[in-house]
Amino acid sequence: DTEVTQTPKHLVMGMTNKKSLKCEQHMGHRAMYWYKQKAKKPPELMFVYSYEKLSINESVPSRFSPECPNSSLLNLHLHALQPEDSALYLCASSPVGGMNTEAFFGQGTRLTVV
Amino acid sequence: AQKITQTQPGMFVQEKEAVTLDCTYDTSDQSYGLFWYKQPSSGEMIFLIYQGSYDEQNATEGRYSLNFQKARKSANLVISASQLGDSAMYFCAMREPYGGATNKLIFGTGTLLAVQP
Repeated sequence: DTEVTQTPKHLVMGMTNKKSLKCEQHMGHRAMYWYKQKAKKPPELMFVYSYEKLSINESVPSRFSPECPNSSLLNLHLHALQPEDSALYLCASSPVGGMNTEAFFGQGTRLTVV
Repeated sequence: AQKITQTQPGMFVQEKEAVTLDCTYDTSDQSYGLFWYKQPSSGEMIFLIYQGSYDEQNATEGRYSLNFQKARKSANLVISASQLGDSAMYFCAMREPYGGATNKLIFGTGTLLAVQP
């Protein structure tokens, strides 16, 4: 099973709403990632978890709050977002360490903030 | 910091022909890995091929091959016998060390490939 599953696939939320994005993998990977991708741009790294601990936060605003409750799950909690936060949010996983490890990506959540 | 450059924002290719997508990189590390991903309009990033810095042979995976020229710091993707389903955005990527066992995967700006019948 080389699948990373993201839910929901599409999300529309108001600026005062609280919502969560969910990511799940069962490949035994202990590194998980959140990326944000605007249209026609490359993915930009937001967060990296290694062994369920936050290891990289790329200066992401606090309205984005990641959580890794166990080795298979990664959440991204959203609160008080702005319209410019509308984007494709991609989750990925990989083995920890090793410069040759490919990352497996989910299909993404297309988020629209209204 | 490492950097990935893809100089072709868009490319056209006729069905059944080969196409080369360019990627150059900049790093001071001796050990690094280069990846190519395909992203269709559906959004999923699909891994295509990997090349390690110490690999002496160019990587190949089916219709995909990587033209790795280490001295020039280039890792071009060659797609042979293009198919309509190859139309997508293609990203070159590199692992960047961060600290300890953690590293990042950073992406170039991408090339949008359109395969014409």
